[in-house]
Amino acid sequence: DTGVSQDPRHKITKRGQNVTFRCDPISEHNRLYWYRQTLGQGPEFLTYFQNEAQLEKSRLLSDRFSAERPKGSFSTLEIQRTEQGDSAMYLCASSRDYYEQYFGPGTRLTVT
Amino acid sequence: AQSVTQLGSHVSVSEGALVLLRCNYSSSVPPYLFWYVQYPNQGLQLLLKYTTGATLVKGINGFEAEFKKSETSFHLTKPSAHMSDAAEYFCAVSDYNQGGKLIFGQGTELSVKP
Repeated sequence: DTGVSQDPRHKITKRGQNVTFRCDPISEHNRLYWYRQTLGQGPEFLTYFQNEAQLEKSRLLSDRFSAERPKGSFSTLEIQRTEQGDSAMYLCASSRDYYEQYFGPGTRLTVT
Repeated sequence: AQSVTQLGSHVSVSEGALVLLRCNYSSSVPPYLFWYVQYPNQGLQLLLKYTTGATLVKGINGFEAEFKKSETSFHLTKPSAHMSDAAEYFCAVSDYNQGGKLIFGQGTELSVKP
């Protein structure tokens, strides 16, 4: 069990550029969640997958955001036409059904 | 809808003193409750969880929490603080009827003075 990994750990991008983040969950976990955390706040839910199916998306996930989990393994979160308000820590977590979620180290995005 | 309120955005204690971090929740169904800890620039680490059964749950690093349904509370305690406990702590409730996403409180920053 190597834990949840995320790549990259840090990303600095200019406004208007597209960025993509990757999350590799714990191998036997069928559920994968994405959260966003801004400074001084608790994480907020963005979306989740059960296996390869995306089952829920938060209203925080505007049409500039898209997430995929091909073959029910790793997941990617893409942000198109980034805005300064997208600057945040993006956290990925995985779980086995309704059991506790294990978090990755996060990807810190800075939009300049 | 479920929600979590953490009372006190910042708590400061002396090393060796009791740690008490407060969490109140709102849930229309029996809640699953969690405490996570976050060190600077890191992800969240699970401290402990309550799902069903015993209302006093013990976690890692000497922390424990008690589920009190009548008070809708799930406060986190540790008898004796260590310098290494300084971190941000988050209480969360699980929306297990709708996919299991976590709803977090705003967090409490714990400082430990020598």
